[in-house]
Amino acid sequence: DGGITQSPKYLFRKEGQNVTLSCEQNLNHDAMYWYRQDPGQGLRLIYYSQIVNDFQKGDIAEGYSVSREKKESFPLTVTSAQKNPTAFYLCASSTKRTVYNEQFFGPGTRLTVL
Amino acid sequence: AQSVTQPDIHITVSEGASLELRCNYSYGATPYLFWYVQSPGQGLQLLLKYFSGDTLVQGIKGFEAEFKRSQSSFNLRKPSVHWSDAAEYFCAVDLNDYKLSFGAGTTVTVRA
Repeated sequence: DGGITQSPKYLFRKEGQNVTLSCEQNLNHDAMYWYRQDPGQGLRLIYYSQIVNDFQKGDIAEGYSVSREKKESFPLTVTSAQKNPTAFYLCASSTKRTVYNEQFFGPGTRLTVL
Repeated sequence: AQSVTQPDIHITVSEGASLELRCNYSYGATPYLFWYVQSPGQGLQLLLKYFSGDTLVQGIKGFEAEFKRSQSSFNLRKPSVHWSDAAEYFCAVDLNDYKLSFGAGTTVTVRA
């Protein structure tokens, strides 16, 4: 079955540590996205990538970094510069835009900073 | 600025009753609109989408939504709610590039 996988489901980090969240898709989608979700705030875009080896900052990119070396993979690193990293992180993907941009989501990773 | 507003943070509905979730958007061009559902601790699942044509769109799980340009609204409805419909619902507008703008979400509680 095609889909998006995120790992791990739960992640705990000590303050001052960097941590990398995995996102893999086998939908052959060109574009991939990272969102952060906090209670009552909906989804906020961190980074997105339209093609391999290219990515753009979203609305809340500070303290995060990404890479897109392969079409199917878009890992997100939460750095120690991110002041409040505890949140639910969602990865999504979509095909190359035709009429509209329908995004498909992974199951999410819950990050907790101890 | 483009934005999506979901006026209701939380709605409680009895099982078997009808449900309507409100969504208002602010967008200059022809909007492409989506409703997603999220069960606790899970990712988002697309319920339905509107991009042109008939203003009443049908989705999965018995949901439908009506696009009203004059009111800048895209409200989600279900005639008879099941306990499994308890979840958080998000309205989103396509910003005509690679971005979606999401509302803050509406949490639906279903009571027996």
